[in-house]
Amino acid sequence: IAGITQAPTSQILAAGRRMTLRCTQDMRHNAMYWYRQDLGLGLRLIHYSNTAGTTGKGEVPDGYSVSRANTDDFPLTLASAVPSQTSVYFCASSENRYTEAFFGQGTRLTVV
Amino acid sequence: AQSVTQPDIHITVSEGASLELRCNYSYGATPYLFWYVQSPGQGLQLLLKYFSGDTLVQGIKGFEAEFKRSQSSFNLRKPSVHWSDAAEYFCAVGAYTGTASKLTFGTGTRLQVTL
Repeated sequence: IAGITQAPTSQILAAGRRMTLRCTQDMRHNAMYWYRQDLGLGLRLIHYSNTAGTTGKGEVPDGYSVSRANTDDFPLTLASAVPSQTSVYFCASSENRYTEAFFGQGTRLTVV
Repeated sequence: AQSVTQPDIHITVSEGASLELRCNYSYGATPYLFWYVQSPGQGLQLLLKYFSGDTLVQGIKGFEAEFKRSQSSFNLRKPSVHWSDAAEYFCAVGAYTGTASKLTFGTGTRLQVTL
């Protein structure tokens, strides 16, 4: 079934550790996104990518980095995790600016 | 910068009753608007979208929304709610850069359905 795959599903991480959240899409969409979801705050954009090889900052980019080496993969890296990065992370993709975003099932990350 | 306000954090309706979820947006240009639904522990599923044209848009699961530019609103409606509609609903506005649509979400409205 076509869609977006995120891994891991959940993770408990010690503060200060490095972590990469994986995201793969098989729809050949141009644009990809990372959002975090926190209670009472909705979803906030962390980083996005228009096409392979380009990335941009969203609303809450600090402490996160991304890369887009190819069309299908868009990993999100926390270089040194902090407790405030405890959240549910959603990867999404869209074909272009005129189409809706499709979301993965999310990664629940707890930083202790 | 764009913003979205969903004034109702939590709404309870009886099964079979009508539903309206409110959404107000702020955006400098013609907005592209979306409603997504999220069931517990799941990702987000698109209910409907407005890009241009007819201001009353139909979506999946019997939902509809009306774009009112004068009120900066995009309220979601359903004539008769089913118990399976219990979920969290998010309104979003899209801002464009290149091929990407950067979505700004509201804080969500949690719908509870009583039998």
